[in-house]
Amino acid sequence: QKEVEQNSGPLSVPEGAIASLNCTYSDRVSQSFFWYRQYSGKSPELIMSIYSNGDKEDGRFTAQLNKASQYVSLLIRDSQPSDSATYLCAVSGNTPLVFGKGTRLSVIA
Amino acid sequence: ETGVTQSPTHLIKTRGQQVTLRCSSQSGHNTVSWYQQALGQGPQFIFQYYREEENGRGNFPPRFSGLQFPNYSSELNVNALELDDSALYLCASSWEDQPQHFGDGTRLSIL
Repeated sequence: QKEVEQNSGPLSVPEGAIASLNCTYSDRVSQSFFWYRQYSGKSPELIMSIYSNGDKEDGRFTAQLNKASQYVSLLIRDSQPSDSATYLCAVSGNTPLVFGKGTRLSVIA
Repeated sequence: ETGVTQSPTHLIKTRGQQVTLRCSSQSGHNTVSWYQQALGQGPQFIFQYYREEENGRGNFPPRFSGLQFPNYSSELNVNALELDDSALYLCASSWEDQPQHFGDGTRLSIL
């Protein structure tokens, strides 16, 4: 059973701080890694994809991948109240996307 | 705005009934995947269609079935509805194995 684990939270950070979201996965052959943001009552929105070890930055978001440790993370710099949402980690290899349950982030103004 | 559209937005059915959900994929996308998301859970993969053929199936019973049409739009059919089928049903489209983009979903309630 391929699994993706995330801390369900809630993770509370003050406005302007760095939010750090973590994800581990069980399938060593996984090749593609994604972070989706989901606002309450809405559908998931793709915010980052990463395929190789290291860091990938896009605006205030940085995704980090360590395949040896089977670990993916998402950093959100200068967190804003509008970042408050559930963040879903998703992983795929030779199989379709497997999602974690998501981490709920609350940014406090 | 992903360009993936789903209908209807909301649906209420009773146990034992059948339902058809529809999805129009983003222009240029040839792959459609369907997911079920229960409250407080991550999306669970139901199946994927690639160029009108089923290309993978998750751990869902045969009463969950689907189709993909030549224009790459898709349907999800669920027979003999059960209370546990109440969920948000998400359609995602992509080109080949590129990242998937989700529609707004259909919220299905079973009474």
